[in-house]
Amino acid sequence: DADVTQTPRNRITKTGKRIMLECSQTKGHDRMYWYRQDPGLGLRLIYYSFDVKDINKGEISDGYSVSRQAQAKFSLSLESAIPNQTALYFCATSDGRGTSYEQYFGPGTRLTVT
Amino acid sequence: GDSVTQMEGPVTLSEEAFLTINCTYTATGYPSLFWYVQYPGEGLQLLLKATKADDKGSNKGFEATYRKETTSFHLEKGSVQVSDSAVYFCALSVRWTGNQFYFGTGTSLTVIP
Repeated sequence: DADVTQTPRNRITKTGKRIMLECSQTKGHDRMYWYRQDPGLGLRLIYYSFDVKDINKGEISDGYSVSRQAQAKFSLSLESAIPNQTALYFCATSDGRGTSYEQYFGPGTRLTVT
Repeated sequence: GDSVTQMEGPVTLSEEAFLTINCTYTATGYPSLFWYVQYPGEGLQLLLKATKADDKGSNKGFEATYRKETTSFHLEKGSVQVSDSAVYFCALSVRWTGNQFYFGTGTSLTVIP
């Protein structure tokens, strides 16, 4: 089984709808992240969490919110989806007790807002 | 601020050709450097890493050396295969910024038989 899973893998929604993307991990890592990927822009950080009670905004948090329900679960919500939120979304984890803090990524959720 | 700049793509090579993808960085502290690979339809996978100056990371025939004097971490492979076709991302992480990652924009590589 994959260490970092994301659901759904694909989603099409309409402008104005609320949508939640979910991420679960079995790696036992304390740190979790949400990124979006757009062609030509690389990955941009939306939110990150260093533990259940520590949540921080990233580079592009406007229009998004997150919830860290447990150490293993980190969900991303779009309260009112808009077309320019169409992108590929990745969840990642890392071990804050390590030395180089490499991140491990889920398979991604492709979101289309019409 | 901290950032990564990598060469623009796309890059197209014939099988068994030599590959170089350039990556330079700007960092306020002492970064760890990474190369990630993204195969079509998949998430990013760690390819290799280096955590201090002059370290060489290597994996699957790919290599990159952490050059502090030129602030570079170029990815190389002596003989590419069709299966190496993917998008490659250079990234850095700096401890003082909570180990946030900063990614380059990615370089698409296509290897033709």
